[in-house]
Amino acid sequence: SQKIEQNSEALNIQEGKTATLTCNYTNYSPAYLQWYRQDPGRGPVFLLLIRENEKEKRKERLKVTFDTTLKQSLFHITASQPADSATYLCALGGGSQGNLIFGKGTKLSVKP
Amino acid sequence: GAVVSQHPSWVICKSGTSVKIECRSLDFQATTMFWYRQFPKQSLMLMATSNEGSKATYEQGVEKDKFLINHASLTLSTLTVTSAHPEDSSFYICSARDTLLSGNTIYFGEGSWLTVV
Repeated sequence: SQKIEQNSEALNIQEGKTATLTCNYTNYSPAYLQWYRQDPGRGPVFLLLIRENEKEKRKERLKVTFDTTLKQSLFHITASQPADSATYLCALGGGSQGNLIFGKGTKLSVKP
Repeated sequence: GAVVSQHPSWVICKSGTSVKIECRSLDFQATTMFWYRQFPKQSLMLMATSNEGSKATYEQGVEKDKFLINHASLTLSTLTVTSAHPEDSSFYICSARDTLLSGNTIYFGEGSWLTVV
């Protein structure tokens, strides 16, 4: 069955550093991969989408890479800020109706 | 930007009763909406795909008679938890896909907390 893993349940870093989150998947060939931010008790907020034929995508301080050979995506936040503290979800897409398969998320804490 | 609204944001109900959660796309049409459930520290689990004007498609292990889904219009889908039990207590989230936009952006609601006592 399809499986998606995000490398760690929690990640603590110092303000100003780059946070790197990992998403690995098996038994699936997604047409695209998305990253979401989720704050406690709130719905996910879309951040970035990267397609299977794209290696890298950037948006302001965010960068996503997608390696379909390794079946892995890396999500980077540069110059991290305490306001970046949240849970970040990786989601695989490509089903016929647009449904997504989510990972459990990585809780990022950025300390001032 | 596109907004998906869920109502209620939180609800407490007695065991054995039914509760309805609404999901509305406020400024776009959504032929397809998705219902997820999320337990604490767990991933979002897709429950069903709701299609306007037709029956919902349920994921394996989700009881369609317990979780009734109605997608009566292009902007509204409802999830009714029937004969709720304490184990149904969870965070329920809907998402919607903009019918008119190409691409794969899906907008999520803010979620609904259900507590069954």
